[in-house]
Amino acid sequence: GAVVSQHPSRVICKSGTSVKIECRSLDFQATTMFWYRQFPKQSLMLMATSNEGSKATYEQGVEKDKFLINHASLTLSTLTVTSAHPEDSSFYICSASDRPEGGELFFGEGSRLTVL
Amino acid sequence: GQNIDQPTEMTATEGAIVQINCTYQTSGFNGLFWYQQHAGEAPTFLSYNVLDGLEEKGRFSSFLSRSKGYSYLLLKELQMKDSASYLCAVKDSNYQLIWGAGTKLIIKP
Repeated sequence: GAVVSQHPSRVICKSGTSVKIECRSLDFQATTMFWYRQFPKQSLMLMATSNEGSKATYEQGVEKDKFLINHASLTLSTLTVTSAHPEDSSFYICSASDRPEGGELFFGEGSRLTVL
Repeated sequence: GQNIDQPTEMTATEGAIVQINCTYQTSGFNGLFWYQQHAGEAPTFLSYNVLDGLEEKGRFSSFLSRSKGYSYLLLKELQMKDSASYLCAVKDSNYQLIWGAGTKLIIKP
């Protein structure tokens, strides 16, 4: 199957700093990538849908100025958590499909963010 | 509203069979997915059903009934490594993926 790579896998930062997470589709072009957040023992929560060359579509309740998403190419999307606070500590996962209207989603490895 | 229901937690014995049910109410239907997620890891794809019936893939099978809004994931010959959360997800008429909360499966020796 297709491969999605996410980096970094773990990051610890101080409160008030910004953290960038990268999501790459390694062997296919992903016009659409999805960013999820998952708190312990909870299911995936879709944060935003990232479309190449255009602005991301954010889910209700997700602050677009805090979670900056850039999808500059067909193989790379980035999520920047700005002015991070301890409550932003979570597991962030990206996914992509080579066929957005059908077929499976391929997930990155996830990024565990801990804000001190 | 859109809703996916699956049991929160199930326990089974190594070597046995377990069935994890999923019922859904969505605006339209464009396929149902099952994913496996081990603690601290990203989900991995298990199965995709878009037509009624049973899809078998090794020890895992997935069943779909669109008229009943129902699916199940059947795991046979359970192994300790099958201990994980199993996520049911449905693509609605807008091809948006709606996720269930997941079923935590505990395998006991």
